[in-house]
Amino acid sequence: EAGVAQSPRYKIIEKRQSVAFWCNPISGHATLYWYQQILGQGPKLLIQFQNNGVVDDSQLPKDRFSAERLKGVDSTLKIQPAKLEDSAVYLCASKGSRGASTEAFFGQGTRLTVV
Amino acid sequence: KQEVTQIPAALSVPEGENLVLNCSFTDSAIYNLQWFRQDPGKGLTSLLLIQSSQREQTSGRLNASLDKSSGRSTLYIAASQPGDSATYLCAVSSFGGGQGGKLIFGQGTELSVKP
Repeated sequence: EAGVAQSPRYKIIEKRQSVAFWCNPISGHATLYWYQQILGQGPKLLIQFQNNGVVDDSQLPKDRFSAERLKGVDSTLKIQPAKLEDSAVYLCASKGSRGASTEAFFGQGTRLTVV
Repeated sequence: KQEVTQIPAALSVPEGENLVLNCSFTDSAIYNLQWFRQDPGKGLTSLLLIQSSQREQTSGRLNASLDKSSGRSTLYIAASQPGDSATYLCAVSSFGGGQGGKLIFGQGTELSVKP
């Protein structure tokens, strides 16, 4: 089966510009996660979806970050306006519909550089 | 609040050595624990998944153990090779993340295997 797809792979923008990342999870996977991974650190959860509803967005900087998952399939994560400290790899992951005990699969990530 | 810690942060060993990576977590209310490998500039590759009811899982030269009551897991790598050089991350699927579970990561251990 196809894995988790993310695009773009790389993005360079100037501060105060906006950017959007796209994620297509494994077909049929109900749970979708977005993570931010700063160089040298572990991934930090930004937002978790169950189908098209938000389960946890407690660590999402809502003044500049937004995310949606229309129809419970693809998801987009947007940053507007970007700051220098947003430079990181943004990872998308999905889990199957059998729930929390199933394996999580990750995409290749999008590396964002804000200059 | 679940916290995951990995020790050591970095490890360098000569080729052929057996080694152990450690992961600890503060809340034993977990569904499972997953070990991942991350190569520079890449996404996360799942190595092993241990359900909360299991004690260990094996795949090739890798063996992961789980002691839920003490909040610890270890990843044992036998006969290490230069190709094992990567960052190893552990993640726990914790209660409280809805149907999918809340996936919380440690900071990772950067492993370097010298020829």
